[in-house]
Amino acid sequence: NAGVTQTPKFRVLKTGQSMTLLCAQDMNHEYMYWYRQDPGMGLRLIHYSVGEGTTAKGEVPDGYNVSRLKKQNFLLGLESAAPSQTSVYFCASTKSGINEQYFGPGTRLTVT
Amino acid sequence: AQSVTQLDSQVPVFEEAPVELRCNYSSSVSVYLFWYVQYPNQGLQLLLKYLSGSTLVKGINGFEAEFNKSQTSFHLRKPSVHISDTAEYFCAVTSLRGSNYKLTFGKGTLLTVNP
Repeated sequence: NAGVTQTPKFRVLKTGQSMTLLCAQDMNHEYMYWYRQDPGMGLRLIHYSVGEGTTAKGEVPDGYNVSRLKKQNFLLGLESAAPSQTSVYFCASTKSGINEQYFGPGTRLTVT
Repeated sequence: AQSVTQLDSQVPVFEEAPVELRCNYSSSVSVYLFWYVQYPNQGLQLLLKYLSGSTLVKGINGFEAEFNKSQTSFHLRKPSVHISDTAEYFCAVTSLRGSNYKLTFGKGTLLTVNP
């Protein structure tokens, strides 16, 4: 059981470039989430999904898109990266709200 | 809407001393409450959670938290800390209705345990 995995672990982008972050979970969880973590800001929800084929906006969705084509995968896309998107990105999944969210190890993204 | 306030951004303590990390929440409906811990360069892992029932909740690594509905608080405590407890701690809340189990996190408290 790998739990929640994230690819890649580190990435440096130039302003305007695009990239996709992959989150995969092997726990058959319905709910998946993308957060960003910035110093002194805690974790803020970018987008989330309540099941395969569904996505919804979180607290800070601008500049990001997501897709959940398969239940086990949740992709986060940056179409045109900006320096303000420099952050650590965490994916999480859960079976339901009374259960804990399981977090991946994070992706550290730097946009120059 | 729901929100979480962690009253201290940093808490330095000496090894074997007791510690309390404070968390207050705001919500118009009933909530579930969580404490997560993040060790350096790692993801978050659950310390403990309050869903219902006894207001004193015990978690891993000797931590416990008390839910106080009248004070809208969920403070985390440990009677004797160890160097290995150095980490960032996050309080989080989700409401029971209409939230799709979205967690709202506090900004975190960095606990530093000194020898």
